[in-house]
Amino acid sequence: GNSVTQMEGPVTLSEEAFLTINCTYTATGYPSLFWYVQYPGEGLQLLLKATKADDKGSNKGFEATYRKETTSFHLEKGSVQVSDSAVYFCALSESSASKIIFGSGTRLSIRP
Amino acid sequence: NAGVTQTPKFQVLKTGQSMTLQCAQDMNHEYMSWYRQDPGMGLRLIHYSVGAGITDQGEVPNGYNVSRSTTEDFPLRLLSAAPSQTSVYFCASSYSPGSSGYEQYFGPGTRLTVT
Repeated sequence: GNSVTQMEGPVTLSEEAFLTINCTYTATGYPSLFWYVQYPGEGLQLLLKATKADDKGSNKGFEATYRKETTSFHLEKGSVQVSDSAVYFCALSESSASKIIFGSGTRLSIRP
Repeated sequence: NAGVTQTPKFQVLKTGQSMTLQCAQDMNHEYMSWYRQDPGMGLRLIHYSVGAGITDQGEVPNGYNVSRSTTEDFPLRLLSAAPSQTSVYFCASSYSPGSSGYEQYFGPGTRLTVT
């Protein structure tokens, strides 16, 4: 079945450091891929998405590229801020399916 | 638009009690779902609905019931609460899945404690 695997946290970085959170997926078809972010005490909100191979999603300085050959969708940001501290979820959905599948989440903490 | 609303925000139940978590959306979304979030487990799908009158089980449906009589509302019922149901519950909604991908909109969550 379909699944999403993302790097375990917590990840702790200093402000202005480079961030990578790895995400790989298993899918039978051609899924859409997502990164969601959950700030403390809130629900999840969409950060970025990509709907086909080689697409790059970007938002708020974060980027992720849909890599079909490596079945990956790694999240990157060149210079993190304290306000980026949150839990990040990688997810996928297939057009023929009725549900979205989430990874287990990666907690990110940024030190001033 | 209010988006996705959930009530209550917090609830404490005793083992064996029943209750209903409310979820409503005003975006005319066809698809609605319930998740529970536990430490280290990410989000697990409980039940989902692809339209009024249609529901289906997710990954962890035992102990929960749902119904979808209107497009707007998707309540989650706990039949006989157990300590294992202590969790944070999120409701989400979206348009139907399609080849362009679709965004799920999440409510703020209900934190449930069962003693």
